[in-house]
Amino acid sequence: ETGVTQTPRHLVMGMTNKKSLKCEQHLGHNAMYWYKQSAKKPLELMFVYSLEERVENNSVPSRFSPECPNSSHLFLHLHTLQPEDSALYLCASSQGQDNYEQYFGPGTRLTVT
Amino acid sequence: GQNIDQPTEMTATEGAIVQINCTYQTSGFNGLFWYQQHAGEAPTFLSYNVLDGLEEKGRFSSFLSRSKGYSYLLLKELQMKDSASYLCAVRDSNYQLIWGAGTKLIIKP
Repeated sequence: ETGVTQTPRHLVMGMTNKKSLKCEQHLGHNAMYWYKQSAKKPLELMFVYSLEERVENNSVPSRFSPECPNSSHLFLHLHTLQPEDSALYLCASSQGQDNYEQYFGPGTRLTVT
Repeated sequence: GQNIDQPTEMTATEGAIVQINCTYQTSGFNGLFWYQQHAGEAPTFLSYNVLDGLEEKGRFSSFLSRSKGYSYLLLKELQMKDSASYLCAVRDSNYQLIWGAGTKLIIKP
């Protein structure tokens, strides 16, 4: 596979469930990002990892928990979400954390019921 | 605060030219990006401007004026496949990306 992949592509979960989103990049990049995209709103940066270390957490609620076991993989663990968390969650990667060109995955469409 | 403004939606005709504007107010400037995002798909990189002027890449061109805090994306010879959202993003003095909400471009035959 090439580029940035994300699984699952669609996820429906109840507010009491626990689930995880997975992202994998095959580009040899050393920085990875989680974004939240809601309709008609700007992309919201959630987490940034550079060289597998978290460098930024933009005041994201603790019900979202990231994990970066190596430079190619990124997870977003979800628990006790709220309906307003329903959105498209995008993963991206770049070479370096200075936010040059970012390559995005196709996203996971999350619906919280 | 930091802000990126772009029109919510635009409509254009196949074969025509359309200009999508982006104005920004950020703490510092280290480049401006345009991304294209088709419905249900990932954003893909289109262009990067860091100096004033026009960057041309095939049917797409991007212009930057740092003194005016202004950029535009120009799409020529529009095709139906150009129907998508176009996202403007500015990298600020801390190298953080500030995103606009995107412009949905609708192409009509």
